[in-house]
Amino acid sequence: DTGVSQNPRHKITKRGQNVTFRCDPISEHNRLYWYRQTLGQGPEFLTYFQNEAQLEKSRLLSDRFSAERPKGSFSTLEIQRTEQGDSAMYLCAGGLPNTGELFFGEGSRLTVL
Amino acid sequence: EDQVTQSPEALRLQEGESSSLNCSYTVSGLRGLFWYRQDPGKGPEFLFTLYSAGEEKEKERLKATLTKKESFLHITAPKPEDSATYLCAVQADRGSTLGRLYFGRGTQLTVWP
Repeated sequence: DTGVSQNPRHKITKRGQNVTFRCDPISEHNRLYWYRQTLGQGPEFLTYFQNEAQLEKSRLLSDRFSAERPKGSFSTLEIQRTEQGDSAMYLCAGGLPNTGELFFGEGSRLTVL
Repeated sequence: EDQVTQSPEALRLQEGESSSLNCSYTVSGLRGLFWYRQDPGKGPEFLFTLYSAGEEKEKERLKATLTKKESFLHITAPKPEDSATYLCAVQADRGSTLGRLYFGRGTQLTVWP
């Protein structure tokens, strides 16, 4: 158990609806990452925060995606106007600066019908 | 463009049959190479960090090695509980992308009794 919790674990939604995922890392992790993973693929980087600052966003992160980390604690990832191509596992990970040792949560699986 | 290629995609071993997984990478300045294990429906679990060519790390039946072009994950006398997908990731030594990890697609290892 890494101590990183993600909610909800599963979300089924209809195309066009908005969804929001939440990630709670442990307090020591001042870095927080969001990755997306589809079946048979490795995790793809979406964005990361150091404390409350969003330091980098992938080109994969279209305008429909937005992530926040108010007060440098929990983080939310919102997807607006979902599309079937958004169906994936959304992984959150906590970490420390200058290390690639990430502590992943168990993920939030999104299915868009 | 930074790339990580893992081979084979899938590997079936009999219990006790040692083998190696390969991770070849192309990155402009390697900051670190990481191995993770992922069980079905779970987030990746950190195994090793390697920073420079010639470095080796060991944990139980696993040993990771690094050259300038690739890394190997050696599995000695595997057991069925070693069955999982093994992911390789690299972190580039560039300021703008210092945070992100680039993952390969993984090798799905099955160890049968």
